[in-house]
Amino acid sequence: GQQLNQSPQSMFIQEGEDVSMNCTSSSIFNTWLWYKQDPGEGPVLLIALYKAGELTSNGRLTAQFGITRKDSFLNISASIPSDVGIYFCAGQRYGNKLVFGAGTILRVKS
Amino acid sequence: ETGVTQSPTHLIKTRGQQVTLRCSSQSGHNTVSWYQQALGQGPQFIFQYYREEENGRGNFPPRFSGLQFPNYSSELNVNALELDDSALYLCASSDGGTTSTDTQYFGPGTRLTVL
Repeated sequence: GQQLNQSPQSMFIQEGEDVSMNCTSSSIFNTWLWYKQDPGEGPVLLIALYKAGELTSNGRLTAQFGITRKDSFLNISASIPSDVGIYFCAGQRYGNKLVFGAGTILRVKS
Repeated sequence: ETGVTQSPTHLIKTRGQQVTLRCSSQSGHNTVSWYQQALGQGPQFIFQYYREEENGRGNFPPRFSGLQFPNYSSELNVNALELDDSALYLCASSDGGTTSTDTQYFGPGTRLTVL
């Protein structure tokens, strides 16, 4: 099925470093979302973006909805050990179906 | 207000069997979507239910079927299980019907293993 192109696939960073990941698509979306998934759990919503060009923050997380509506990025500032997990981007058009990326695995060295 | 709940947590079946997974949507939500997440991949959309009617289906065969009840809880049924059906099955609820982009909230999932 259709998936978004999410990169990088995995990251291994030092505690305190900033992290960037992004997502691109050949199709336009009305909404971009970023979820985090811990082992054995369902995805938890981090940030939702509803407007092209929108920049939204949630604590140490910042995400942007690309101006072309075909991409989004997520930044995490000053990473801490509990940031470990898998981060997914998801695009949404009207009708509620979500299209997900393959995920970015984040590992933090303490 | 309770979040999305799913049962059972884990399930082991053999090839050819049938399985039913259950989901209770978040309070006030009228739309339920089901996703299949294979190991190491992002979730894939199976189908969506809005006010007891299926509305939207992904690239899954007819042996994947579902129901939504008047209280907006939902079931996913899979017949004639195949080994490739082994996955985490996620339910997500939202309150916006089929023409909105209201945020979806996920349950913890049911881990299905087919032997």
